[in-house]
Amino acid sequence: AQSVTQPDIHITVSEGASLELRCNYSYGATPYLFWYVQSPGQGLQLLLKYFSGDTLVQGIKGFEAEFKRSQSSFNLRKPSVHWSDAAEYFCAVGAGNTDKLIFGTGTRLQVFP
Amino acid sequence: DTAVSQTPKYLVTQMGNDKSIKCEQNLGHDTMYWYKQDSKKFLKIMFSYNNKELIINETVPNRFSPKSPDKAHLNLHINSLELGDSAVYFCASSPRLAGATDTQYFGPGTRLTVL
Repeated sequence: AQSVTQPDIHITVSEGASLELRCNYSYGATPYLFWYVQSPGQGLQLLLKYFSGDTLVQGIKGFEAEFKRSQSSFNLRKPSVHWSDAAEYFCAVGAGNTDKLIFGTGTRLQVFP
Repeated sequence: DTAVSQTPKYLVTQMGNDKSIKCEQNLGHDTMYWYKQDSKKFLKIMFSYNNKELIINETVPNRFSPKSPDKAHLNLHINSLELGDSAVYFCASSPRLAGATDTQYFGPGTRLTVL
């Protein structure tokens, strides 16, 4: 069965610093991978997704993620973090043969000025 | 012009009561979902409907009953509420029956507190 691991529960960075949030997945075939962001008191919003093709995908708000099959990873990056990026970030994997999206446990990002 | 809306936003109730949460999407999507987010932020699917037909029914107590009067609405009724039902419940929708591969659009959530 597919699963998602986000090893970092909580990350703190200074505004303007670079960011990398880790995501590892478990799935036998090529996965569909997503990153969602949840701002405080809000629903989830899609940042980016990977299905096939170029392994570096660009998303909204200046985020990007790289799919590495050999490492079963789909890490999220941003070169310069803004205070408004403080939120909970969820990695998710979908299997083509089911209708379920499996979420990781999330990484809470705190941004200091 | 809210895409996926839920009411109420907050719900505080006593154990044993019955309550409902409503969800509406104006995106013209065929598929809708209910997720439960626990106190540790873990998000798990409960149900999905496609054009009013139940597709996914995870291992959820039968006190939870979803109802879809039309494809734009998916309501969640909970009987005999228990303390463990306290959570944030999210409604979501996707264009078609491919929830594992399509973008899902989430509502703002309903925070349910059972006292």
